[in-house]
Amino acid sequence: QSVLTQPPSVSGAPGQRVTISCTGSSSNIGAGYDVHWYQQFPGTAPKLLIFGNTNRPSGVPDRFSGSKSGTSASLAISGLQAEDEADYYCQSYGSSLIGPYVVFGGGTKLTVL
Amino acid sequence: QITLKESGPTLVKPTQTLTLTCTFSGFSLITGGVGVGWIRQPPGKALEWLALIYWDDDKRYSPSLKSRLTITKDTSKNQVVLTVTNMDPVDTATYYCAHKTSGRYDLGWWGQGTLVTVSS
Repeated sequence: QSVLTQPPSVSGAPGQRVTISCTGSSSNIGAGYDVHWYQQFPGTAPKLLIFGNTNRPSGVPDRFSGSKSGTSASLAISGLQAEDEADYYCQSYGSSLIGPYVVFGGGTKLTVL
Repeated sequence: QITLKESGPTLVKPTQTLTLTCTFSGFSLITGGVGVGWIRQPPGKALEWLALIYWDDDKRYSPSLKSRLTITKDTSKNQVVLTVTNMDPVDTATYYCAHKTSGRYDLGWWGQGTLVTVSS
């Protein structure tokens, strides 16, 4: 069971806007750690999509946006395209007695109808 | 250009120790703030973070797997090695290594991954 909670699946029609939530707790996202998002196509490695809650690496379309509030974060994809169909994962850090450690969400499968 | 590539056995027997090597280029693990991490993904399942080693040799491990993991670096060879003891069929997964940029806490660059199957 993943530390961060994501919906298993979301769907939308081309051109629509969808959001994927990532829910944590006071020991991870709520502790002030940034949230990052990754996109993964079948059989390939994850690719960084959003870093530092809201920032897009070079080359990522501005259709992708991120936000964070309290113990949760969200990834929004506007103007949905067929090529956006993939798995999406959120990542942050968690606090422990041995220091901060990386935590992932359980992933969300996006289906473009 | 940053690249990472994982290497190691594709098949291990239960109870054996797995040793994986991440060979990278395009950055140095002596640069302040830089790190290399290991993440795995069982077939059809989610990503699971395993370990991270920083430029200053600080090491972080997944709390649930800490007792079985060891991460080390060889800066002269641009390599990071992960060992996982007492392998079990549930450890069957694609194992990825990834680069952590200085000043940031995301994993910006990933290797292609290597599938490790645990079976007798």
